Amino acid sequence: DSGVTQTPKHLITATGQRVTLRCSPRSGDLSVYWYQQSLDQGLQFLIQYYNGEERAKGNILERFSAQQFPDLHSELNLSSLELGDSALYFCASSVGARSNQPQHFGDGTRLSIL
Amino acid sequence: SQQGEEDPQALSIQEGENATMNCSYKTSINNLQWYRQNSGRGLVHLILIRSNEREKHSGRLRVTLDTSKKSSSLLITASRAADTASYFCATETSGSRLTFGEGTQLTVNP
Repeated sequence: DSGVTQTPKHLITATGQRVTLRCSPRSGDLSVYWYQQSLDQGLQFLIQYYNGEERAKGNILERFSAQQFPDLHSELNLSSLELGDSALYFCASSVGARSNQPQHFGDGTRLSIL
Repeated sequence: SQQGEEDPQALSIQEGENATMNCSYKTSINNLQWYRQNSGRGLVHLILIRSNEREKHSGRLRVTLDTSKKSSSLLITASRAADTASYFCATETSGSRLTFGEGTQLTVNP
C-alpha cells in the first residue's frame, strides 16, 4: 500500500461531460503529481503541485485543470471530454518539490469515455 | 517524445533466471529511477541512482548507470513469478518533473 488514495477507481461517462478525479497524498508528502497513462502515449506527466502551489506543468490540455487544497489533497478536473481522453489517470506524491526522490503512486482512476 | 526508451519491449524468462532490462535516454540527467507496475495497479518505486553513481543494489535488484552512453540497466536476479510486471525507467533532468520511458513487459514463467 503506497498510502496514496485515488477516487473513484472507475469512471464511465460520455463525450462533452466533465469529471473530477480526487487524490489524497501519502501522509507527510507535500507534492502531488498527476499523470495520464494510455496505450498510445505511455505515461505522460500532466502537472505538479507543491504545498498548494502549481510547481510544474507538463502535457496538460487546456480542458484539464487541477488544484491542491490546504489539506494537501488534490483534484484533477477534466472537461469537454473526448474519446481520446479515455485513459488511466494516476496521482503520485513525494515529500519535497524536486524529482530527486521516489514518487509514491496511487492505483489510478480508469476513465472510459463512451 | 519520451526521454527514456526501454529495451527490450517484452521479455519472457523462466523462474530462477536473471532478467536484464535496458534504458537509454537523450539528455543529461540528475538522477534515474526504476519503477515496477503490476497489471492494473500504480507504479512502485524500486531504486534511484544519481548521476554521480555507477552502480546500486537493492535486494535482488542491481542498477547500473553509464552517463557517457546515456544508458542504464536493471538486473533482476533469481527471478520469481511475482516479478511479472512492466518495468519503467524515469529520468529527472532539471526542475521537478520525471519523464518515463515506454516500459519493458517482463513475464516470468513458473
